[in-house]
Amino acid sequence: DAGVIQSPRHEVTEMGQEVTLRCKPISGHNSLFWYRQTMMRGLELLIYFNNNVPIDDSGMPEDRFSAKMPNASFSTLKIQPSEPRDSAVYFCASSLSWLKGAGGETQYFGPGTRLLVL
Amino acid sequence: GQQVMQIPQYQHVQEGEDFTTYCNSSTTLSNIQWYKQRPGGHPVFLIQLVKSGEVKKQKRLTFQFGEAKKNSSLHITATQTTDVGTYFCAGRDQAGTALIFGKGTTLSVSS
Repeated sequence: DAGVIQSPRHEVTEMGQEVTLRCKPISGHNSLFWYRQTMMRGLELLIYFNNNVPIDDSGMPEDRFSAKMPNASFSTLKIQPSEPRDSAVYFCASSLSWLKGAGGETQYFGPGTRLLVL
Repeated sequence: GQQVMQIPQYQHVQEGEDFTTYCNSSTTLSNIQWYKQRPGGHPVFLIQLVKSGEVKKQKRLTFQFGEAKKNSSLHITATQTTDVGTYFCAGRDQAGTALIFGKGTTLSVSS
């Protein structure tokens, strides 16, 4: 059974360029999360979706970041324009259901996209 | 806002020694999860604790949730080199919103 799939696995780009990260959650999972991990700030939640609807985007750093989930099997995180301080590992995670007490709160992480903005 | 503090940040042990990492939340949690991330890897779910005072064991790993549901600990008995990695706690607040991760404790083990 395939886990969470992310692409690309590595991305090197120049400042000012647009970056699009992609995620395919585990089939049947209703909740999807985007995280950013850096040495300085640790693992930060950027945004999460439930049933394709954004629920909490308070972690999105600024307007340069946007995320979409057009259907249950695909999500994108876009940075436009990118800056060197955006360099980090971006993880996508999915869970069966984020509803409290539903027993489906385990988050399954993808392998991550390592982004370097020069 | 809710904060989850984790200590220590780093811990080095000799193989066979015990290891403990502690997690403290600024608010009462509805549940807490623990994840392990190997170097270069991604976080992998270990366990979830829900009840006040709950204790769960997985082989050499013992997880505890405090009576007030504001703190938790992970204890590893007789560490092995395969235990190397960063251990994260992640707390969900009573409002049931997002999971807040601690900064993690990075464990290194020398044989």
